Amino acid sequence: EPEVTQTPSHQVTQMGQEVILRCVPISNHLYFYWYRQILGQKVEFLVSFYNNEISEKSEIFDDQFSVERPDGSNFTLKIRSTKLEDSAMYFCASYLGQGVGDTQYFGPGTRLTVL
Amino acid sequence: SQKIEQNSEALNIQEGKTATLTCNYTNYSPAYLQWYRQDPGRGPVFLLLIRENEKEKRKERLKVTFDTTLKQSLFHITASQPADSATYLCALVLSGAGSYQLTFGKGTKLSVIP
Repeated sequence: EPEVTQTPSHQVTQMGQEVILRCVPISNHLYFYWYRQILGQKVEFLVSFYNNEISEKSEIFDDQFSVERPDGSNFTLKIRSTKLEDSAMYFCASYLGQGVGDTQYFGPGTRLTVL
Repeated sequence: SQKIEQNSEALNIQEGKTATLTCNYTNYSPAYLQWYRQDPGRGPVFLLLIRENEKEKRKERLKVTFDTTLKQSLFHITASQPADSATYLCALVLSGAGSYQLTFGKGTKLSVIP
């Protein structure tokens, strides 16, 4: 069964450094997402990407964040200057986009630790 | 303010019994509601989806109900097994959410005791 993959599984970085989290969505899906989950908290929507552009973003997704789909398969989340509060699990998800009845498929996540 | 509340943070149940988890929401107009399972350190896994005009959905030992008047969904696991132990997340897709993004509750951690 097709699945969403994410790399790395765990990323440790120093505050102020840039990080890039990578995702390979399911190949024929049209919508791509990033969510984050701070330890012990709920899963929160960050951004959605459709037709090679951001379609929606939350208040969390400020100027420090950016997303790209540099080729036909990868989908990346970049955090330009990491803060301690960026420490969280980051989940990529993809969605076929053929309406109600289908659902989003989540990757296994990247645990980001900012020191 | 908008809220999604899942009835308890943790629920312990004896193996073989039916687990019932609750999801209540306020000041949202969901187009549909989904239930996901999340194991520690892993991503959410889709279980069931129910539309705003549906009352009940079933899949094997799982059943979901949706009452848009009460603004509540109930999630049932019958004949529960220790392998059902996980955190269960309620998620809404809001009417007008053009990119179908999910809004999650905090989850209920279910422990099935042998």
